[in-house]
Amino acid sequence: QLQLQESGPGLVMPSGTLSLTCTVSGGSISSSTDYWGWIRQPPGKGLEWIGSIYYSGSAYYNPSVKSRVTISVDTSTNQFSLRLSSVTAADAAVYYCARHREDSGYKYPFEYWGQGILVTVSS
Amino acid sequence: EIVLTQSPGTLSLSPGERATLSCRASQSVSSDYLVWYQQKPGQAPRLLIYGASIRATGIPDRFSGSGSGTDFTLTISRLEPEDLAVYYCQQYVILPLTFGGGTKVEIQ
Repeated sequence: QLQLQESGPGLVMPSGTLSLTCTVSGGSISSSTDYWGWIRQPPGKGLEWIGSIYYSGSAYYNPSVKSRVTISVDTSTNQFSLRLSSVTAADAAVYYCARHREDSGYKYPFEYWGQGILVTVSS
Repeated sequence: EIVLTQSPGTLSLSPGERATLSCRASQSVSSDYLVWYQQKPGQAPRLLIYGASIRATGIPDRFSGSGSGTDFTLTISRLEPEDLAVYYCQQYVILPLTFGGGTKVEIQ
């Protein structure tokens, strides 16, 4: 059973950089069909896709954060990471990592999710 | 960007009743790539329906999805107390991937 687990600081200072890691277990991050994504949810609000990455390192981002975000992958540790710079209070949220995939030309949605990690932005 | 508008915002029903949730897209979405998630309090979202109408593994058959083009529906045929949750639709064909604002289902 595939499992994902987010980790990282739960508190980030305004104008600082948010850095989170997602560890994948029960499967390989190098699977040719899989994409690894980050989604966030401000407290009491809805879901926002941040971006996704393929094991090769090819990434694509939501234009809403594109100028501030970098998603990277480390196949040696079966992890992928999120960096979001110049954070403000609006970036406070529960951050989820999740897997989606594409197989034989058909796209599948986010089937596996981490439990989420709450990130607060405060000095 | 495809905007997904869900209605109603909140649905309050009794156990055994039928719940009908709507998701309307700002432009046509291939039904292959419209999905519904269930998010219970304090939990991550769980995949319910993909391809507009295909139940994910382990999802009870009281959950069904339908629709095409710009109008999609999630139906819970007989509400159970454990269906208390927020339900989100999502399209995953056009970047950026987008979610609807959610419908909260309350059990009276």
